[in-house]
This record gives sequence, C-alpha cells and structure tokens, in this order.
Amino acid sequence: SQTIHQWPATLVQPVGSPLSLECTVEGTSNPNLYWYRQAAGRGLQLLFYSVGIGQISSEVPQNLSASRPQDRQFILSSKKLLLSDSGFYLCAWSAGPGGYTFGSGTRLTVV
Amino acid sequence: QQQVKQSPQSLIVQKGGISIINCAYENTAFDYFPWYQQFPGKGPALLIAIRPDVSEKKEGRFTISFNKSAKQFSLHIMDSQPGDSATYFCAAAYSSASKIIFGSGTRLSIRP
Repeated sequence: SQTIHQWPATLVQPVGSPLSLECTVEGTSNPNLYWYRQAAGRGLQLLFYSVGIGQISSEVPQNLSASRPQDRQFILSSKKLLLSDSGFYLCAWSAGPGGYTFGSGTRLTVV
Repeated sequence: QQQVKQSPQSLIVQKGGISIINCAYENTAFDYFPWYQQFPGKGPALLIAIRPDVSEKKEGRFTISFNKSAKQFSLHIMDSQPGDSATYFCAAAYSSASKIIFGSGTRLSIRP
C-alpha cells in the first residue's frame, strides 16, 4: 500500500534561518507531488507541484523553493525564513487528478 | 474561471441534524469533484467524490448532490454527529490537469 511520510511534525525556527522540510512517498512510482500551506483557520494554498524528477511548478511567488531529487522525494526549502512563512505545511501525492493523499503536516512557527 | 466558491465559511448544527455545504464552479471542463475532511492538526483526507455523469452519490451518511446545469455541488451529512466536527473542503479537477482546485473550506461544528 502507498504511504506518505512528512517530517518534522513541528518546527520552531528564528527569522532569517534556513528551512528544509522533507516528504517521501512509498509504494508507488512517478507520483505527482504537491506542497500546500495552510494558515491558521484558512484554506489550502498550493505552493509547488511536481510531475517528475527535477520538474517543479511554482504557483505563488514567495520566499520558498522546492526540489525533487528523487522520484518519491519532495523537499521544501527556504534560505531565510520570514515571519509570514509560519503555517501548516502539507505534502500530498496523487497518481492522477483528484486522488490526493495528504501527509500529516508540519506546523512551522517562525519567531 | 479556476475558482471553486464554497459556503458557508462556518456552520453549527445540532446533533442528529443535517449539515449542508455548498460549492460552485465556473470551468465546465472540470470532471471530478471530491470532498475532503480535515481534523485539527491533521492533513485533509478524501471523504467522497463524484463525476458529472451522475447527479448524486451516497456513502453512508454522506451524500454529494451535483447540479451540472447550475455548476453547483453540495455535501449533505445526515444524522450529524459530534465526530463529524471538522473542516470540509470541496474541490474540482479536470482529467488533463495535474492539480485540483480547492474551495476555501467550511468549519463544521456539531453540538451535542
């Protein structure tokens, strides 16, 4: 069966520090991978998605970047965090349109 | 044209009542309409989904009603229970795309 792993679960980082969040998927090949951000009590904002290794589409200009170094690995990064980067970050995968499976999320607080 | 508009933003229903959440879309190319349920601190999980060739789909207490001509679809939760308290997202997608469009979410609270 397919599983998605996302870590860490919580993270507190100072302003200006770097960020690296990792997401891996098991049990499937060539998945579509997604990074979403959710502000407190708000909706889901698509940040990046990838349909293959090295292929990244950015949805919203921001202080973040994404990379897909391996088929089932998706990394969200920042060189210098801003206060506004705080939020709940969710990784998801799909084998096609609509069938998203989300990870358990990372709660990022920038202080 | 890519938007999915969801209402209400929040909803309070008595235990045993019917919860109704509505969504509307513009792009007639959408051909897959899922609903996701999210509990606090967790990622959203697929609850139920429908394609536009049917007008209704029921799974247990959860029903999607779909009105293709009005470009609207809704989620009905019958006999609502406190355990249904969560945030619900409607969404829309089309087969040729790699991503789906989410509504803004509805925070549902079921009062015991």
